Amino acid sequence: GQNIDQPTEMTATEGAIVQINCTYQTSGFNGLFWYQQHAGEAPTFLSYNVLDGLEEKGRFSSFLSRSKGYSYLLLKELQMKDSASYLCAVSHRDDKIIFGKGTRLHILP
Amino acid sequence: DTEVTQTPKHLVMGMTNKKSLKCEQHMGHRAMYWYKQKAKKPPELMFVYSYEKLSINESVPSRFSPECPNSSLLNLHLHALQPEDSALYLCASSQDLLDRGGYEQYFGPGTRLTVT
Repeated sequence: GQNIDQPTEMTATEGAIVQINCTYQTSGFNGLFWYQQHAGEAPTFLSYNVLDGLEEKGRFSSFLSRSKGYSYLLLKELQMKDSASYLCAVSHRDDKIIFGKGTRLHILP
Repeated sequence: DTEVTQTPKHLVMGMTNKKSLKCEQHMGHRAMYWYKQKAKKPPELMFVYSYEKLSINESVPSRFSPECPNSSLLNLHLHALQPEDSALYLCASSQDLLDRGGYEQYFGPGTRLTVT
Protein backbone atom coordinates (compact mmCIF):
# COMPACT_ATOMS: atom_id res chain seq x y z
CA GLY A 1 0.00 0.00 0.00
CA GLN A 2 0.87 3.64 -0.09
CA ASN A 3 0.74 6.12 2.74
CA ILE A 4 1.77 9.76 2.93
CA ASP A 5 1.54 11.60 6.25
CA GLN A 6 1.91 15.26 7.02
CA PRO A 7 0.45 17.40 9.82
CA THR A 8 -3.01 18.78 9.11
CA GLU A 9 -2.35 22.31 10.38
CA MET A 10 0.53 24.40 11.69
CA THR A 11 0.80 27.94 12.98
CA ALA A 12 3.89 30.15 12.93
CA THR A 13 4.77 33.80 13.39
CA GLU A 14 5.79 36.27 10.72
CA GLY A 15 9.58 36.43 10.41
CA ALA A 16 10.08 33.03 12.03
CA ILE A 17 11.12 29.64 10.60
CA VAL A 18 8.80 26.65 10.20
CA GLN A 19 9.47 23.06 9.21
CA ILE A 20 6.72 20.95 7.66
CA ASN A 21 7.39 17.22 7.81
CA CYS A 22 6.22 14.51 5.46
CA THR A 23 6.66 10.77 5.90
CA TYR A 24 5.81 8.21 3.25
CA GLN A 25 5.58 4.49 2.76
CA THR A 26 5.39 3.43 -0.84
CA SER A 27 6.80 1.00 -3.36
CA GLY A 28 8.50 2.14 -6.54
CA PHE A 29 9.47 5.52 -5.06
CA ASN A 30 11.10 7.91 -7.49
CA GLY A 31 11.04 11.36 -5.91
CA LEU A 32 9.16 13.76 -3.70
CA PHE A 33 7.45 17.03 -4.57
CA TRP A 34 6.45 19.98 -2.46
CA TYR A 35 3.68 22.25 -3.74
CA GLN A 36 2.13 25.40 -2.31
CA GLN A 37 -1.59 25.96 -2.76
CA HIS A 38 -3.41 29.11 -1.72
CA ALA A 39 -7.13 28.76 -1.05
CA GLY A 40 -9.09 28.70 -4.29
CA GLU A 41 -5.98 28.61 -6.45
CA ALA A 42 -4.01 25.96 -8.31
CA PRO A 43 -0.93 24.33 -6.76
CA THR A 44 2.43 25.95 -7.43
CA PHE A 45 5.58 23.83 -7.74
CA LEU A 46 8.16 24.44 -5.01
CA SER A 47 10.65 21.59 -5.20
CA TYR A 48 11.38 18.06 -6.33
CA ASN A 49 13.90 15.90 -4.48
CA VAL A 50 15.23 12.65 -5.91
CA LEU A 51 18.52 12.32 -4.04
CA ASP A 52 19.10 12.44 -0.30
CA GLY A 53 20.00 15.79 1.13
CA LEU A 54 18.96 19.39 1.36
CA GLU A 55 18.11 21.61 -1.58
CA GLU A 56 17.83 25.32 -0.97
CA LYS A 57 15.87 27.74 -3.10
CA GLY A 58 15.65 31.21 -1.62
CA ARG A 59 13.59 31.22 1.58
CA PHE A 60 12.45 27.64 0.96
CA SER A 61 14.51 24.47 1.42
CA SER A 62 13.51 20.84 0.99
CA PHE A 63 15.17 17.79 2.51
CA LEU A 64 14.85 14.12 1.62
CA SER A 65 15.97 10.91 3.30
CA ARG A 66 15.06 7.96 1.08
CA SER A 67 16.15 5.38 3.65
CA LYS A 68 13.87 6.90 6.30
CA GLY A 69 10.96 7.69 4.00
CA TYR A 70 11.08 11.25 5.26
CA SER A 71 11.09 14.75 3.86
CA TYR A 72 10.66 18.24 5.19
CA LEU A 73 10.00 21.67 3.77
CA LEU A 74 11.72 24.52 5.62
CA LEU A 75 10.36 28.03 5.25
CA LYS A 76 12.50 30.90 6.56
CA GLU A 77 11.70 34.57 7.21
CA LEU A 78 8.00 33.82 7.06
CA GLN A 79 5.74 36.33 5.38
CA MET A 80 1.97 36.67 5.63
CA LYS A 81 1.67 35.56 2.00
CA ASP A 82 3.14 32.19 3.01
CA SER A 83 -0.21 31.32 4.59
CA ALA A 84 -1.32 28.46 2.38
CA SER A 85 -1.57 24.70 2.17
CA TYR A 86 1.67 22.83 1.53
CA LEU A 87 1.30 19.54 -0.30
CA CYS A 88 3.81 16.74 -0.17
CA ALA A 89 3.52 14.41 -3.19
CA VAL A 90 5.35 11.22 -4.05
CA SER A 91 6.23 10.23 -7.61
CA HIS A 92 6.61 6.64 -8.67
CA ARG A 93 8.68 4.96 -11.33
CA ASP A 94 5.52 4.47 -13.39
CA ASP A 95 5.10 8.28 -13.51
CA LYS A 96 2.15 8.31 -11.11
CA ILE A 97 2.00 11.06 -8.51
CA ILE A 98 0.22 10.65 -5.19
CA PHE A 99 -0.46 13.71 -3.04
CA GLY A 100 -0.55 13.84 0.73
CA LYS A 101 -3.51 15.55 2.39
CA GLY A 102 -1.62 18.80 2.79
CA THR A 103 -0.62 20.98 5.73
CA ARG A 104 -2.51 24.24 6.24
CA LEU A 105 -0.01 26.80 7.46
CA HIS A 106 -1.31 29.87 9.31
CA ILE A 107 1.03 32.84 9.73
CA LEU A 108 0.37 35.19 12.62
CA PRO A 109 1.55 38.82 12.60
CA ASP B 1 4.58 32.24 -21.68
CA THR B 2 4.48 29.96 -18.64
CA GLU B 3 0.76 29.73 -18.41
CA VAL B 4 -1.73 26.90 -18.54
CA THR B 5 -5.22 28.14 -19.31
CA GLN B 6 -8.47 26.35 -18.60
CA THR B 7 -12.00 27.06 -19.72
CA PRO B 8 -14.59 27.48 -18.44
CA LYS B 9 -13.72 28.72 -14.94
CA HIS B 10 -17.06 27.53 -13.59
CA LEU B 11 -19.51 24.99 -14.96
CA VAL B 12 -22.88 23.86 -13.68
CA MET B 13 -24.38 20.87 -15.43
CA GLY B 14 -27.21 18.43 -14.97
CA MET B 15 -26.71 14.70 -14.78
CA THR B 16 -27.97 14.22 -18.34
CA ASN B 17 -25.82 16.92 -19.92
CA LYS B 18 -22.73 16.55 -22.05
CA LYS B 19 -20.02 19.16 -21.59
CA SER B 20 -16.30 19.54 -22.17
CA LEU B 21 -13.47 21.10 -20.19
CA LYS B 22 -10.59 22.61 -22.13
CA CYS B 23 -6.94 23.10 -21.27
CA GLU B 24 -4.26 24.82 -23.32
CA GLN B 25 -0.53 25.46 -22.96
CA HIS B 26 1.99 27.01 -25.32
CA MET B 27 5.19 26.09 -23.52
CA GLY B 28 6.00 23.21 -25.83
CA HIS B 29 5.32 20.74 -23.04
CA ARG B 30 4.79 17.14 -24.16
CA ALA B 31 3.11 15.80 -21.02
CA MET B 32 -0.32 16.93 -19.86
CA TYR B 33 -2.40 15.87 -16.88
CA TRP B 34 -5.94 15.98 -15.52
CA TYR B 35 -6.46 16.06 -11.75
CA LYS B 36 -9.63 16.15 -9.66
CA GLN B 37 -9.62 18.03 -6.37
CA LYS B 38 -12.46 17.98 -3.85
CA ALA B 39 -12.73 20.70 -1.21
CA LYS B 40 -9.99 20.52 1.43
CA LYS B 41 -8.55 17.39 -0.19
CA PRO B 42 -5.37 16.96 -2.24
CA PRO B 43 -5.46 16.66 -6.04
CA GLU B 44 -6.03 13.16 -7.38
CA LEU B 45 -4.45 12.17 -10.66
CA MET B 46 -6.96 11.12 -13.33
CA PHE B 47 -5.14 10.95 -16.68
CA VAL B 48 -1.68 11.53 -18.11
CA TYR B 49 -0.95 12.20 -21.77
CA SER B 50 2.53 11.96 -23.21
CA TYR B 51 3.21 13.06 -26.79
CA GLU B 52 -0.57 13.17 -27.37
CA LYS B 53 -1.04 9.55 -26.32
CA LEU B 54 -2.80 8.41 -23.17
CA SER B 55 -0.11 7.19 -20.82
CA ILE B 56 -1.97 6.73 -17.52
CA ASN B 57 -5.65 6.24 -16.73
CA GLU B 58 -6.13 5.97 -12.99
CA SER B 59 -9.22 3.77 -13.23
CA VAL B 60 -11.41 6.77 -13.95
CA PRO B 61 -15.08 6.01 -14.77
CA SER B 62 -15.95 6.11 -18.45
CA ARG B 63 -18.25 9.09 -17.94
CA PHE B 64 -14.97 11.06 -18.06
CA SER B 65 -13.36 10.88 -21.49
CA PRO B 66 -10.05 12.64 -22.17
CA GLU B 67 -8.88 13.78 -25.56
CA CYS B 68 -5.62 15.32 -26.74
CA PRO B 69 -6.23 16.81 -30.22
CA ASN B 70 -2.71 18.24 -30.44
CA SER B 71 0.33 18.89 -28.29
CA SER B 72 -1.08 22.17 -26.92
CA LEU B 73 -4.63 21.12 -26.13
CA LEU B 74 -6.20 18.72 -23.67
CA ASN B 75 -9.93 18.19 -23.33
CA LEU B 76 -12.04 16.35 -20.80
CA HIS B 77 -15.45 15.29 -22.09
CA LEU B 78 -18.12 14.82 -19.46
CA HIS B 79 -21.30 12.78 -19.83
CA ALA B 80 -23.88 11.49 -17.37
CA LEU B 81 -22.00 12.76 -14.35
CA GLN B 82 -23.10 12.29 -10.75
CA PRO B 83 -23.38 14.96 -8.04
CA GLU B 84 -20.34 13.44 -6.31
CA ASP B 85 -18.28 14.37 -9.39
CA SER B 86 -18.59 18.02 -8.36
CA ALA B 87 -15.03 19.20 -7.78
CA LEU B 88 -12.25 21.43 -9.05
CA TYR B 89 -10.71 19.92 -12.18
CA LEU B 90 -7.11 20.89 -12.64
CA CYS B 91 -5.04 20.59 -15.77
CA ALA B 92 -1.24 20.56 -15.61
CA SER B 93 1.63 20.25 -18.04
CA SER B 94 5.31 19.43 -17.84
CA GLN B 95 8.15 19.40 -20.30
CA ASP B 96 8.06 15.63 -20.38
CA LEU B 97 7.19 12.67 -18.17
CA LEU B 98 8.92 12.34 -14.81
CA ASP B 99 11.30 9.62 -15.94
CA ARG B 100 12.50 11.92 -18.70
CA GLY B 101 13.20 14.84 -16.40
CA GLY B 102 9.85 16.57 -16.68
CA TYR B 103 9.24 16.98 -12.98
CA GLU B 104 8.10 20.60 -12.82
CA GLN B 105 4.37 20.64 -13.42
CA TYR B 106 2.59 23.88 -14.19
CA PHE B 107 -1.03 23.90 -13.11
CA GLY B 108 -3.89 25.78 -14.67
CA PRO B 109 -6.39 27.68 -12.48
CA GLY B 110 -8.92 24.88 -12.72
CA THR B 111 -12.57 24.52 -13.66
CA ARG B 112 -14.98 24.41 -10.75
CA LEU B 113 -17.63 21.89 -11.74
CA THR B 114 -21.00 21.52 -10.04
CA VAL B 115 -23.26 18.63 -11.04
CA THR B 116 -26.90 19.09 -10.11
